Amino acid sequence: GAGVSQTPSNKVTEKGKYVELRCDPISGHTALYWYRQSLGQGPEFLIYFQGTGAADDSGLPNDRFFAVRPEGSVSTLKIQRTERGDSAVYLCASSLNSQGYTEAFFGQGTRLTVV
Amino acid sequence: DAKTTQPPSMDCAEGRAANLPCNHSTISGNEYVYWYRQIHSQGPQYIIHGLKNNETNEMASLIITEDRKSSTLILPHATLRDTAVYYCIVRVFDYGGSQGNLIFGKGTKLSVKP
Repeated sequence: GAGVSQTPSNKVTEKGKYVELRCDPISGHTALYWYRQSLGQGPEFLIYFQGTGAADDSGLPNDRFFAVRPEGSVSTLKIQRTERGDSAVYLCASSLNSQGYTEAFFGQGTRLTVV
Repeated sequence: DAKTTQPPSMDCAEGRAANLPCNHSTISGNEYVYWYRQIHSQGPQYIIHGLKNNETNEMASLIITEDRKSSTLILPHATLRDTAVYYCIVRVFDYGGSQGNLIFGKGTKLSVKP
């Protein structure tokens, strides 16, 4: 079956440019999470959506980072004025929100390189 | 910050049991223990979770101490494909349907050797 899909799988951009990273969650999953992972580190939480709204955006590092999920399905992570320090793997996960615990399913990630 | 402490690395012989420890001494009564693993170049994968009882599924067993301050993930017969970084996470479980995010630490890099 279809899992969480992230596109592109790799993105190289120049410092100062704007980038968008896309996440297609598993159909019917209402919770969606964005993480980023630097080499040798565990995933770092960025933002969590419940439906269309951001339930927790406390992990966004600064106002250059923004994420949307307008219809409660696909989400886009947007990074303005990219910096070399933004280079990382950006991971998306989704989970089915219901009574009781449900596991989070992760995509393969988008590797962003800012040169 | 992660609420768990794990050894940075461990080795295990293929076919033997791998026992991965995790300390979570500040765990609250409404927090569950979750384990995920991340194989190289892939996204994290859910393994198992528990509250206070020991749990077992097709992948692993989770043993939680009576005081809930530590736990052990057991892979009963490790294979080379179990080589990965294993993350122990504590997370609030909300019956109201709101799910908190997962806070990852650095995990334990398990190397299964032939």
